[in-house]
Amino acid sequence: EIVLTQSPGTLSLSPGERATLSCRASQSVSSSYLVWYQQKLGQAPRLLIYGASIRATGVPDRFSGSGSGTDFILTINRVEPEDFAVYYCQQYGSSPRYSFGQGTKLEMK
Amino acid sequence: EVQLVESGGGLIQPGGSLRLSCAASGFNFNPYSMNWVRQAPGKGLEWISYIDGSSSAIYYADSVKGRFTTSRDNARRFVYLQMNNVRAEDTAIYYCARDIADCASGVCYEIRFDFWGQGTLVTVSS
Repeated sequence: EIVLTQSPGTLSLSPGERATLSCRASQSVSSSYLVWYQQKLGQAPRLLIYGASIRATGVPDRFSGSGSGTDFILTINRVEPEDFAVYYCQQYGSSPRYSFGQGTKLEMK
Repeated sequence: EVQLVESGGGLIQPGGSLRLSCAASGFNFNPYSMNWVRQAPGKGLEWISYIDGSSSAIYYADSVKGRFTTSRDNARRFVYLQMNNVRAEDTAIYYCARDIADCASGVCYEIRFDFWGQGTLVTVSS
C-alpha cells in the first residue's frame, strides 16, 4: 500500500506570497497518477492538477505541479485570498485503488 | 453542465443499513467510472469504492469491504452505495465523484476525479 504524506500540515502565508506544498509517497508513483485537489470550507473537493503537472480546466496559471518518483510539489505563485483552503494529493495504485494524503491547510497569516 | 447529486444520508444506528444514491446528469453517463469518497468530520478524504461503466469492475477500500456494496443503474443514471452493518467510524460526508482518464491501447493515464457531488452526511449513532 502506498502512503502519501503531505507537509506541512498547516501553511500560514499572506496574500501575494508563494506557497509550496509537498506530497511524499512511501513508494514510487507514476507522475501520470498523481493528482492535487483543493477543498474550501463546506465545499466538495475541486480538481486542480492531474498527471502531476497538468492544470485542470479553469485553474489559474498561478497553480503549478511538479515532481516525480516519490516527491511531488504543488506551488501557488502569489497566493490570492480565494486560495486559502485545504489541499490534498491523491495517487492511483493497485491496492487500494486510490489513496489520499492527509491534506495541507493553507491559512491566511 | 455536469451534475452529481447525492442523497439518502441521515442518522442511523450502529449495525443498521442505509442506501446512498448519486444522480448524474449533463454527460453521457454509461462510459464513465464512478467513485465514492468519504470525509469524516474535520478529517481528510478517504476513497472507499470504484465502479466502472459496465459494473464489471468494482473495488473497495479495506475499511468497508464486506459491508458496503456499490452498484449502478445506467438507464436511470444513478450510482448507489448500500451500507450495511454500519459503525460509528462510518460517520462522514459521502461524495460521489466521476472518474476520468486518457486511455490508449488499453492503458489509462492521467486518472483523476474531475467532478464531485456536494455530498450527503451519514451519522451513525445510537
